[in-house]
Amino acid sequence: TQLLEQSPQFLSIQEGENLTVYCNSSSVFSSLQWYRQEPGEGPVLLVTVVTGGEVKKLKRLTFQFGDARKDSSLHITAAQPGDTGLYLCAGARQSGTYKYIFGTGTRLKVLA
Amino acid sequence: KAGVTQTPRYLIKTRGQQVTLSCSPISGHRSVSWYQQTPGQGLQFLFEYFSETQRNKGNFPGRFSGRQFSNSRSEMNVSTLELGDSALYLCASSPMGAGDYEQYFGPGTRLTVT
Repeated sequence: TQLLEQSPQFLSIQEGENLTVYCNSSSVFSSLQWYRQEPGEGPVLLVTVVTGGEVKKLKRLTFQFGDARKDSSLHITAAQPGDTGLYLCAGARQSGTYKYIFGTGTRLKVLA
Repeated sequence: KAGVTQTPRYLIKTRGQQVTLSCSPISGHRSVSWYQQTPGQGLQFLFEYFSETQRNKGNFPGRFSGRQFSNSRSEMNVSTLELGDSALYLCASSPMGAGDYEQYFGPGTRLTVT
């Protein structure tokens, strides 16, 4: 059962454009992480959000955790080719069998 | 600090064989989790070890097992390999102190079963 849905699945945009990736769930998470993964490598942690409504910025990337802690978004301003990769969200749960649930992923390609 | 290391990086095995993958966490991290990543299923949680004890387990058959040593290094074993076990196996470590949620991933081991 996939508990974290990401949209869009694929995104191909021109350098300089803005974009938003969404991560949605019907479950509540104690925290949510965003990762970027490049081919043949492991995911690299970008940010962790913990508090409902929290907004964090990392240069041109803005991350927001939903008020109810069930969803999150990643907004990239003025995308660059170096932003190309697979973006994954992961929700952490404090109870139950699964510790971290990963989203379905958004594959982003930024064209120069 | 050195990152999470995994060995080997690439592995080719035959159906029916068994395989052992190794993971060395970031120094000081006590939690090690294992994940399987495939194009069709995405990243799926296998199990987590903390202080040599399996603390959480995903929904995988008993052919998948693991262990953690006193130095926090971890190994994952897959017995009776099937073609569907071909995947990128990722290890992630975490400090798991109070309020710690971050996981840091290794580069993965690419397993191909023929």
